[in-house]
Amino acid sequence: AQSVTQLGSHVSVSEGALVLLRCNYSSSVPPYLFWYVQYPNQGLQLLLKYTSAATLVKGINGFEAEFKKSETSFHLTKPSAHMSDAAEYFCAVRPRGSTLGRLYFGRGTQLTVWP
Amino acid sequence: GAVVSQHPSRVICKSGTSVKIECRSLDFQATTMFWYRQFPKQSLMLMATSNEGSKATYEQGVEKDKFLINHASLTLSTLTVTSAHPEDSSFYICSARAGGTTSYEQYFGPGTRLTVT
Repeated sequence: AQSVTQLGSHVSVSEGALVLLRCNYSSSVPPYLFWYVQYPNQGLQLLLKYTSAATLVKGINGFEAEFKKSETSFHLTKPSAHMSDAAEYFCAVRPRGSTLGRLYFGRGTQLTVWP
Repeated sequence: GAVVSQHPSRVICKSGTSVKIECRSLDFQATTMFWYRQFPKQSLMLMATSNEGSKATYEQGVEKDKFLINHASLTLSTLTVTSAHPEDSSFYICSARAGGTTSYEQYFGPGTRLTVT
């Protein structure tokens, strides 16, 4: 079964500081990997995805993530946090070969940005 | 980009009544739609997967008679919470995937806040 682990349910950074949100997956075959952001009382917005091309993936709003097969990780980073980045972030995986395209989500990380 | 809408955005109903939530793909055909439930400060829990024209596949522990899902067209899926109770109060989110196994993305609706009094 697929498993997605997000280390740290809460991350706090100062405005302008580096943002690092961690995600690890557990599967023998690297899945498709996604990061979503959710603002209060809203649905999920896709930040970026890894399908099988470049291991460093750039997304929207200045975020990027690096797929590391040896570490089974897909950590999300942003060099300089902005107040508007405060939200809930979810890492998700989709097993390769899945015909329905079901996603498995991590528990989420709440990002707080201090002025 | 692909847009998914949900209606209503929030609904309050009395215990024992039923409520229907609509999920529409506005600019693409969604062969597969997913329904999630999200409790406060928690992740999304997949309730069921529906394919157009066929019965939904429910996750273990989800009561199919209580959460009726219909995916009658390529742009519309509905979730009906029957005989709602306060414990059904939650944030319900749908997502839609375009046809083809090479389609990687799910597009999420804005969610529906259900409160049962």
